Amino acid sequence: EAEVAQSPRYKITEKSQAVAFWCDPISGHATLYWYRQILGQGPELLVQFQDESVVDDSQLPKDRFSAERLKGVDSTLKIQPAELGDSAMYLCASRGQGQHGYTFGSGTRLTVV
Amino acid sequence: GENVEQHPSTLSVQEGDSAVIKCTYSDSASNYFPWYKQELGKGPQLIIDIRSNVGEKKDQRIAVTLNKTAKHFSLHITETQPEDSAVYFCAANLGTDSWGKLQFGAGTQVVVTP
Repeated sequence: EAEVAQSPRYKITEKSQAVAFWCDPISGHATLYWYRQILGQGPELLVQFQDESVVDDSQLPKDRFSAERLKGVDSTLKIQPAELGDSAMYLCASRGQGQHGYTFGSGTRLTVV
Repeated sequence: GENVEQHPSTLSVQEGDSAVIKCTYSDSASNYFPWYKQELGKGPQLIIDIRSNVGEKKDQRIAVTLNKTAKHFSLHITETQPEDSAVYFCAANLGTDSWGKLQFGAGTQVVVTP
């Protein structure tokens, strides 16, 4: 069964440091999402790509977060500098053309100390 | 924008009993309502979904019902088993959004005790 790959699975970083997460969506899925999930809450959208273009980054804290999907395939989410409040699970999901449901990856658990 | 509310936040059931989780949404243009199951340390997994043109959908022990007039939908799990223990999230699409963006509820922790 096709999966969304994410790495690393876990990341511990000190505040003010830079951190990056990587996502490889299911092959052929043009739509890619990055969600943040704070412990005990539902996922919240950070940024959405259609191919290599950002179609929604209205909830992305652009002063410290950036995301790219240069070739329209895999994607990187970066935080610089990290703050204590950024500790959360960062989830990547992808969706195929004509489909409604997302497929999520296993996420990256970020802890900022 | 869309607002999705989910209840209860925690649900404890005996093995073999039924579990019901309810969600309400605010955007009358929403037309897609998925349910996700998230096990500890894993990403959410789609378990069932329903489109607005049907009122009920069933897949083995799980079923979803939709009341568009009242803007609420529910997940029903029958004959619960310990492996059903997880966090369940409902979601709804933003009806005016053509990119398929989903708004999620806060989640329900389901514990099935043997």
